[in-house]
Amino acid sequence: EDQVTQSPEALRLQEGESSSLNCSYTVSGLRGLFWYRQDPGKGPEFLFTLYSAGEEKEKERLKATLTKKESFLHITAPKPEDSATYLCAVQANSGYALNFGKGTSLLVTP
Amino acid sequence: DVKVTQSSRYLVKRTGEKVFLECVQDMDHENMFWYRQDPGLGLRLIYFSYDVKMKEKGDIPEGYSVSREKKERFSLILESASTNQTSMYLCASSYRGSGELFFGEGSRLTVL
Repeated sequence: EDQVTQSPEALRLQEGESSSLNCSYTVSGLRGLFWYRQDPGKGPEFLFTLYSAGEEKEKERLKATLTKKESFLHITAPKPEDSATYLCAVQANSGYALNFGKGTSLLVTP
Repeated sequence: DVKVTQSSRYLVKRTGEKVFLECVQDMDHENMFWYRQDPGLGLRLIYFSYDVKMKEKGDIPEGYSVSREKKERFSLILESASTNQTSMYLCASSYRGSGELFFGEGSRLTVL
């Protein structure tokens, strides 16, 4: 059975204090690993897709990396507007749907 | 701007009522999904559809049914609502085989 575990559950950073979020996964044949951002009261919004170990993607202050067992979302010099819940999900070769982790709630204070 | 629209942002229903949640997408996506999101449990897949009139059970289909009569519309039906179905319901769509899901704003259902 596919499993996605995110850590930490919650993270509080000062503005400018860089850190990383972790997503550990087990899946029978990875088609893709996905990162989403969710603001309170809204649906998740797509950020990145990673397909194979060693791949990296960047967008503004965010960089996602992938190994065979985990993915990291690195946040460099975060700003208060980066506060959100970040969700990781995997898609197996055999399926259509994504299996989501429980998310990391990030709060960035000025 | 691409869009997934859910018919109701907030609903309050009574135990035993039949509840319809509607979702419409304007992107000509083949796949459509219904998830529910609960604190501490994350997003859990209820049902998905990969084509008109086709449906597959997700992880928690009990107490729910779905309908997809047109490509752009995917409905979630609670035949007899119960208090444990109080939750945020999220609809999403994607191109066939893609994991880039486009989500609606969500429908927060309270069952009294």
